Amino acid sequence: GAVVSQHPSWVICKSGTSVKIECRSLDFQATTMFWYRQFPKQSLMLMATSNEGSKATYEQGVEKDKFLINHASLTLSTLTVTSAHPEDSSFYICSAQRAGSSYNEQFFGPGTRLTVL
Amino acid sequence: GNSVTQMEGPVTLSEEAFLTINCTYTATGYPSLFWYVQYPGEGLQLLLKATKADDKGSNKGFEATYRKETTSFHLEKGSVQVSDSAVYFCANDQGAQKLVFGQGTRLTINP
Repeated sequence: GAVVSQHPSWVICKSGTSVKIECRSLDFQATTMFWYRQFPKQSLMLMATSNEGSKATYEQGVEKDKFLINHASLTLSTLTVTSAHPEDSSFYICSAQRAGSSYNEQFFGPGTRLTVL
Repeated sequence: GNSVTQMEGPVTLSEEAFLTINCTYTATGYPSLFWYVQYPGEGLQLLLKATKADDKGSNKGFEATYRKETTSFHLEKGSVQVSDSAVYFCANDQGAQKLVFGQGTRLTINP
């Protein structure tokens, strides 16, 4: 149990286009989902926290208009990178918190590698 | 704010060797501490955790003790296996649903 999937697992796009990444909790309901970004050989950096049915909370320095997050259901959150540029190339990871669990029980997806040409 | 510093990798060991991956943290208040493991092609999985000073987390032969006096949470295993090859992340929480991760340590175990 507690499986989180991400789609796509990798994507290559042209500069200026938008890319949507999906994060799904497959066998549980997730009231809260988190989006992280990871650069090569660096740590995961929390980008934003999204709660089902409400606006996401972004970390300092993360552009909310560039990284659009939608958490419309208890099993799906999406991250849209708008007008992507090469500096947005990175590994994006989501995690999901099971409804009713404590905040530190996060289940992670396998990540999505974005390459912007 | 809270931060985590862990031993840089990569770390390469022979099977049955003793493993230590160092992790130190800074924190305001009293965070919980975690080790996550990421196997190739998979998402991060919680390996073990400790919620207060002197607690010892353990799982799959791995152990880590929450040392408040040295602000450390070093990961140890007495005899590693090839299947332990993965990337290991130390983390602490800031409360309010946030996890702060170290940079990860890639471990390779040779048969």
